Amino acid sequence: DADVTQTPRNRITKTGKRIMLECSQTKGHDRMYWYRQDPGLGLRLIYYSFDVKDINKGEISDGYSVSRQAQAKFSLSLESAIPNQTALYFCATSEANEKLFFGSGTQLSVL
Amino acid sequence: EDQVTQSPEALRLQEGESSSLNCSYTVSGLRGLFWYRQDPGKGPEFLFTLYSAGEEKEKERLKATLTKKESFLHITAPKPEDSATYLCAVRLGGGADGLTFGKGTHLIIQP
Repeated sequence: DADVTQTPRNRITKTGKRIMLECSQTKGHDRMYWYRQDPGLGLRLIYYSFDVKDINKGEISDGYSVSRQAQAKFSLSLESAIPNQTALYFCATSEANEKLFFGSGTQLSVL
Repeated sequence: EDQVTQSPEALRLQEGESSSLNCSYTVSGLRGLFWYRQDPGKGPEFLFTLYSAGEEKEKERLKATLTKKESFLHITAPKPEDSATYLCAVRLGGGADGLTFGKGTHLIIQP
């Protein structure tokens, strides 16, 4: 089984719909992250969490919210999806100041 | 503002033809420079972490080096399976967390 699991792998939704992307990890790390990847723009940080009670905005948090339900679970929500949120989304985990381990990604398309 | 710039954007080599990828960075107080490999449709896979100027790390045909302003990923006698996008990232300074990524170098090794 993968250390960092993202669900769903692919999602197509319509403008204005609420959508949640889920991430779970078995590595026992405290820190979790959500990134989005767009062609030509690279990976950009949306939110990160040091632990269950500590959540922080990243570079591009507008239009997104997150929930850290447990040490192992970190979900990303789009309250009202719009087409420019079409992207590949990655969840990642790390120990403090160490390398990040990434999930396999969720390809989201907003029509 | 922290910035990471990778060059070239794309590189096509013949099998066995050695070359180098560049990552230049401007960050206040480097807390680690990271190299990742990403295959299409997959999450980034960790390769190396470098912390101080002069440091070098090797893995099979790959060697990463670090100076005060840039890092190089040297690829020696590459094979077609080395084809991928190579990402460079730096750890953010101050109280923030997460990695700031460059846009990547898309490497193609032709048989």
